[in-house]
Amino acid sequence: GQNIDQPTEMTATEGAIVQINCTYQTSGFNGLFWYQQHAGEAPTFLSYNVLDGLEEKGRFSSFLSRSKGYSYLLLKELQMKDSASYLCAVRDGNYQLIWGAGTKLIIKP
Amino acid sequence: IAGITQAPTSQILAAGRRMTLRCTQDMRHNAMYWYRQDLGLGLRLIHYSNTAGTTGKGEVPDGYSVSRANTDDFPLTLASAVPSQTSVYFCASSDSGGSGTDTQYFGPGTRLTVL
Repeated sequence: GQNIDQPTEMTATEGAIVQINCTYQTSGFNGLFWYQQHAGEAPTFLSYNVLDGLEEKGRFSSFLSRSKGYSYLLLKELQMKDSASYLCAVRDGNYQLIWGAGTKLIIKP
Repeated sequence: IAGITQAPTSQILAAGRRMTLRCTQDMRHNAMYWYRQDLGLGLRLIHYSNTAGTTGKGEVPDGYSVSRANTDDFPLTLASAVPSQTSVYFCASSDSGGSGTDTQYFGPGTRLTVL
């Protein structure tokens, strides 16, 4: 079966750096997405990786290793507004998105 | 309007009743999707449409139906609601229905409670 694994919850301190990991096992691979979802709101797109390596976008970076079935989202200079759930999703060989359950990130002052 | 709208925002429904959740997008995206999101689970695809006039089944289609008469609208119907359909429902759209980056953009969601 297809599977996306992420930690359920993480806690970090304002101003610090946090890394959220995602491992996947899918039938085929056509890209990996990270979304941010604040409580009670819709998911919003953060990043997309299809080739190995690091994609940097401001305070957020996303890394992909296809051979290891592994990605991480790196958040720097954490702000209170970064408290949210972070969803990892993989597009499989049939171009369907398979979603992880999300990682709830709690930021403490 | 800009983006994707969903209606209603929330609804409490008696079991056995019929309900249609509405979704409209103004981005002229080809593909549209319906997901449900339950606590502790990832988003699960109910139905999708790669282009107007076509629809397909996702991971959890039972008890739901959809139609795609035009590019903008993609309603989701629960023919006879059951309590297990209590969930938050998200509609999403994307430009190319699978190829390229094909980022999905989400509506604000409908919170449905079936009693």
